[in-house]
Amino acid sequence: GQNIDQPTEMTATEGAIVQINCTYQTSGFNGLFWYQQHAGEAPTFLSYNVLDGLEEKGRFSSFLSRSKGYSYLLLKELQMKDSASYLCAVRRGYQKVTFGTGTKLQVIP
Amino acid sequence: SAVISQKPSRDICQRGTSLTIQCQVDSQVTMMFWYRQQPGQSLTLIATANQGSEATYESGFVIDKFPISRPNLTFSTLTVSNMSPEDSSIYLCSVQGGKRGAGELFFGEGSRLTVL
Repeated sequence: GQNIDQPTEMTATEGAIVQINCTYQTSGFNGLFWYQQHAGEAPTFLSYNVLDGLEEKGRFSSFLSRSKGYSYLLLKELQMKDSASYLCAVRRGYQKVTFGTGTKLQVIP
Repeated sequence: SAVISQKPSRDICQRGTSLTIQCQVDSQVTMMFWYRQQPGQSLTLIATANQGSEATYESGFVIDKFPISRPNLTFSTLTVSNMSPEDSSIYLCSVQGGKRGAGELFFGEGSRLTVL
């Protein structure tokens, strides 16, 4: 089986930086995804890590440590529109993707 | 990226009835995935729909409750059978795509079912 854990909720201030952590335990690890989901909408893809290290894409960066079963999503220069749920998801083998519990981020002025 | 259309977008259903959700993709894909998202929860994989063979169900989901069809490479249906209030959820169709090596999932808009 597998286990993917994230904090349930976080609050951060507009303009600040926030780090959302994800820990996982799985066999057959083949990549980790981060998705953003606004209320009432479908999830949208943010990032993908399969090797250790940091992937940067604009204001968003994602980090992976395979040996520690750990990832984080870093959001810089927070904007109000970043208020959403952030889902960590692990791919096992070639296709199957399992989602974590999700972190609801609230950005306040 | 893939464009995925789901119907219905939402529905209110009576206990004991069944509802079929349709998913149409704008390109041919080998596998389609059906997820459920219960209120305030994350996504749970129900099954993988393969063209030309039976769907593969995850633990806790059975074919009698969630029959799936996959008649061609661009279309799939998920039926929620004999519904109860516990089946009130958003049901999402998904396909794998993206650049080589990533294969991120693309999602339809979801079908929000409320069972009374």
